[in-house]
Amino acid sequence: GENVEQHPSTLSVQEGDSAVIKCTYSDSASNYFPWYKQELGKRPQLIIDIRSNVGEKKDQRIAVTLNKTAKHFSLHITETQPEDSAVYFCAASISGGADGLTFGKGTHLIIQP
Amino acid sequence: DSGVTQTPKHLITATGQRVTLRCSPRSGDLSVYWYQQSLDQGLQFLIQYYNGEERAKGNILERFSAQQFPDLHSELNLSSLELGDSALYFCASSLASGRPTGELFFGEGSRLTVL
Repeated sequence: GENVEQHPSTLSVQEGDSAVIKCTYSDSASNYFPWYKQELGKRPQLIIDIRSNVGEKKDQRIAVTLNKTAKHFSLHITETQPEDSAVYFCAASISGGADGLTFGKGTHLIIQP
Repeated sequence: DSGVTQTPKHLITATGQRVTLRCSPRSGDLSVYWYQQSLDQGLQFLIQYYNGEERAKGNILERFSAQQFPDLHSELNLSSLELGDSALYFCASSLASGRPTGELFFGEGSRLTVL
């Protein structure tokens, strides 16, 4: 089955700096890659996703890039703000949607004031 | 508010006991997913139901079972509980299985503590 590795497990950045979280996946048939944000004590929420026919997608301060050849995808957050502090999960599936999503173990992003 | 309702929010019980977690999906969503979140393991997929039928199984123990009822609410039954079953259990729903809608809508979770 699919295996998703996520790095780093903890990332501390200064407010205003950029943060990058990286994930690799094992199944070359994977075609859907969402990112979920989970604030402390809250539920995970989708923040951005990308499909395998696209190399990059942006939404304001966040962007995701996908390298199908290398089987890795990354989340980029620019101009980080205190409200970006959370645990971020990457995931992958071969269904093109929510079915069969395999999640990474998460990255705890800490924004230092 | 995601529209997904989970009860109870917190549950404390003893080893060997059995508990039932309940989930009501968003109105109109046919798929229900159960995930277990432990400190070191992230979000582990347990099981998925679509329109009343089991759709996919993940790392669900034999001591655990689930079902989805005609009104689409779902229950996760955990029996012969062990200390290691202590975790946050999330239910999520999505519009339809197999369609590239993508987004999972998570409930607030049920925190289970086994003493």
